[in-house]
Amino acid sequence: DADVTQTPRNRITKTGKRIMLECSQTKGHDRMYWYRQDPGLGLRLIYYSFDVKDINKGEISDGYSVSRQAQAKFSLSLESAIPNQTALYFCATSNGPGLVSFGPGTRLTVL
Amino acid sequence: SQQGEEDPQALSIQEGENATMNCSYKTSINNLQWYRQNSGRGLVHLILIRSNEREKHSGRLRVTLDTSKKSSSLLITASRAADTASYFCATDAENTGFQKLVFGTGTRLLVSP
Repeated sequence: DADVTQTPRNRITKTGKRIMLECSQTKGHDRMYWYRQDPGLGLRLIYYSFDVKDINKGEISDGYSVSRQAQAKFSLSLESAIPNQTALYFCATSNGPGLVSFGPGTRLTVL
Repeated sequence: SQQGEEDPQALSIQEGENATMNCSYKTSINNLQWYRQNSGRGLVHLILIRSNEREKHSGRLRVTLDTSKKSSSLLITASRAADTASYFCATDAENTGFQKLVFGTGTRLLVSP
């Protein structure tokens, strides 16, 4: 089984809809992240969390919110999706100053 | 903003040749990591080099780090068609109090048989 899982893997939605992307991990890592990838721009950090009581904005948090329901779960919400939020979204986990493990990604299309 | 800039943006070579990708970054770092991504898929960690290291090897991969120039290079020797992918450098900046990887824009490598 994968250590970091994301659901759904693909989603098509319409402008104005609320969308939630979910991430679960079995690695026991405290740190979790949400990144967004657009063509030609690499990955950009949306939100990150040190533990269930710690939520921090990344460089592109506008239009997004997150919830750390448990150590193993970190969800990303788009309250009112817009077309320029069409992108590939990655969840990641880390145990500190070392390796970061990425989930397989969620491809989101907003029409 | 992106911390790292990779050069070249795209690289096309023949199997058996070596591929070199470069990464420049802006701030002092704890470590620098290289990742590989096959088209539209998840990222796979390749190698991590700490700020006090200058060179590191892993199989056909060789990474160098020059902190005075704020740059790193990834060399893939004896490339194979299966090496075709995008390669990203990511930096873990110093004094953030929290590990946040900042990614470069990537190099797209095409290895032709």
